[in-house]
Amino acid sequence: EDQVTQSPEALRLQEGESSSLNCSYTVSGLRGLFWYRQDPGKGPEFLFTLYSAGEEKEKERLKATLTKKESFLHITAPKPEDSATYLCAVLSLSGGSNYKLTFGKGTLLTVNP
Amino acid sequence: DSGVTQTPKHLITATGQRVTLRCSPRSGDLSVYWYQQSLDQGLQFLIQYYNGEERAKGNILERFSAQQFPDLHSELNLSSLELGDSALYFCASSVGWGPYNSPLHFGNGTRLTVT
Repeated sequence: EDQVTQSPEALRLQEGESSSLNCSYTVSGLRGLFWYRQDPGKGPEFLFTLYSAGEEKEKERLKATLTKKESFLHITAPKPEDSATYLCAVLSLSGGSNYKLTFGKGTLLTVNP
Repeated sequence: DSGVTQTPKHLITATGQRVTLRCSPRSGDLSVYWYQQSLDQGLQFLIQYYNGEERAKGNILERFSAQQFPDLHSELNLSSLELGDSALYFCASSVGWGPYNSPLHFGNGTRLTVT
């Protein structure tokens, strides 16, 4: 069974203090990995898709990287508005042409001013 | 704003009752997905429709059913409700038939409380 584990569960940073969130996965045949941001009371907001090991994507203070077993979301010089829950989801092939998207439980990031 | 609209935002009902959640996808998106999010389980995939037809099924209970209409909006029907069905229900949409090259865009959910 596909498994996605995000760590840490919660992370508290000071404004400007860079750090990384981890998403490790066990899937049969990775087809892609997605990062989402979720604010309280809102739906997940799409950030990045990574398709192969070695790939990197950047958006403002966020940079996502992918290896064969895990992905990192690096946050450089975070601001309070970066506070949110960050979700990772892995896409695998399940039985023929069916895709399966499995979400992790997320990392709750709090950035203090 | 993702462009995905879900109604109602909140729903409070009693055990044994039946409710219908509604979703309008982003303009141009043909796929609609339904997810359940609870505190301990995270986001759980329920079912996907593509252009009116069921495309994939996840951990959807037999008491739950969904459909996608010709105008592409979708409804999720939950019946014989139990306390454990209390959760956030999200709808997402994407352009293609699968999430491989068309990421999901989520609505803001319907919070269901069963008392």
